[in-house]
Amino acid sequence: GQNIDQPTEMTATEGAIVQINCTYQTSGFNGLFWYQQHAGEAPTFLSYNVLDGLEEKGRFSSFLSRSKGYSYLLLKELHMKDSASYLCAVKGAGKSTFGDGTTLTVKP
Amino acid sequence: GAVVSQHPSWVICKSGTSVKIECRSLDFQATTMFWYRQFPKQSLMLMATSNEGSKATYEQGVEKDKFLINHASLTLSTLTVTSAHPEDSSFYICSAREGQKNTEAFFGQGTRLTVV
Repeated sequence: GQNIDQPTEMTATEGAIVQINCTYQTSGFNGLFWYQQHAGEAPTFLSYNVLDGLEEKGRFSSFLSRSKGYSYLLLKELHMKDSASYLCAVKGAGKSTFGDGTTLTVKP
Repeated sequence: GAVVSQHPSWVICKSGTSVKIECRSLDFQATTMFWYRQFPKQSLMLMATSNEGSKATYEQGVEKDKFLINHASLTLSTLTVTSAHPEDSSFYICSAREGQKNTEAFFGQGTRLTVV
């Protein structure tokens, strides 16, 4: 089976940097995904990591350590519109299991 | 990126009736589609995995006779909630993946179902 842990809530200030952590335990690993979900909307894809290391995409970066079962999503230069839920998802054998999500609130 | 269209965006139905939700991949062929359900302030829960031309694989605890999934073509999968009850009210989301690519599937807009 798969077990995914991420913080329930985080708060940060506009313009700052925030790191959202995700730890996982899985019997099979084929990649880790981060999604952004605004209230009442479907998730949107942010990043995909399958090898160890950092993947950078604009203001967002995602890091993976397979040996530690650990990933983080780094958001830089926070905007108010970045207030959303951030979902960590681990892909096992053919399907992805989602964490409960981290609700990020960006304050002025 | 790839576009997945889900219809309807929201639906209200009477208890005991059936509701069909469509999920279409608009610019790619989706060999695999996933159906999720999400209750308020909870994460996505996978209901079933659907491969084109074959029977869907349901997750444990999901009634396959209640949630009928059809994936008859490479661009369309449907989820029918049969004999809906108020407890079936939820946000239903599909995602579609092209071929065997490991890049993640793309999500539809979601369907908010309210059973009254």
